[in-house]
Amino acid sequence: DTTVKQNPRYKLARVGKPVNLICSQTMNHDTMYWYQKKPNQAPKLLLFYYDKILNREADTFEKFQSSRPNNSFCSLYIGSAGLEYSAMYLCASSSWGAYAEQFFGPGTRLTVL
Amino acid sequence: AQSVTQPDARVTVSEGASLQLRCKYSYSGTPYLFWYVQYPRQGLQLLLKYYSGDPVVQGVNGFEAEFIKSNSSFHLRKASVHWSDSAVYFCAVSYNNNAPRFGAGTKLSVKP
Repeated sequence: DTTVKQNPRYKLARVGKPVNLICSQTMNHDTMYWYQKKPNQAPKLLLFYYDKILNREADTFEKFQSSRPNNSFCSLYIGSAGLEYSAMYLCASSSWGAYAEQFFGPGTRLTVL
Repeated sequence: AQSVTQPDARVTVSEGASLQLRCKYSYSGTPYLFWYVQYPRQGLQLLLKYYSGDPVVQGVNGFEAEFIKSNSSFHLRKASVHWSDSAVYFCAVSYNNNAPRFGAGTKLSVKP
């Protein structure tokens, strides 16, 4: 089974409210990633976990938080959503290493109003 | 600045025609190179990857890519496209132990 699941698939949020997105994988991968995808733009890496070690990108460090309570699950948390957070959020997992294949979920489409 | 560039946002070809999707990267050091495909309502899937050896690497469904170091390019090719190849194609680059960075993607439309 090479499935990465994301919940919910669609999320509507109000400006200023928190948002929590969930990702799960059953491949026992030690690395999990979150990317933000806006129309006509490249998927932007937000953060990734290697095991329990969180690596956040410098330019989005304060905008996104994450937790990984166990190997299979990873969440992406936005404390106070702004209009600029409207995007598709892609979760992926892989074995550790720069040459490892990433397995992606279908994405969560977040709309902030 | 480190970047991945896919200069063509959209490409349209006729079924049976050959295809080349372009990718250029700007990274120091030795890159690990990938092509992913995203079909409608699905997650990205790996087509092929390259690190070393023969600069032409074969992937799934008849796709191949050529690494040209002097040009910092990793273009994707297919000799004869099928309507089912219609999708969005992403080039990605990683190095050392960093997570992959992606290009903006090229949307391929195959005309019957």
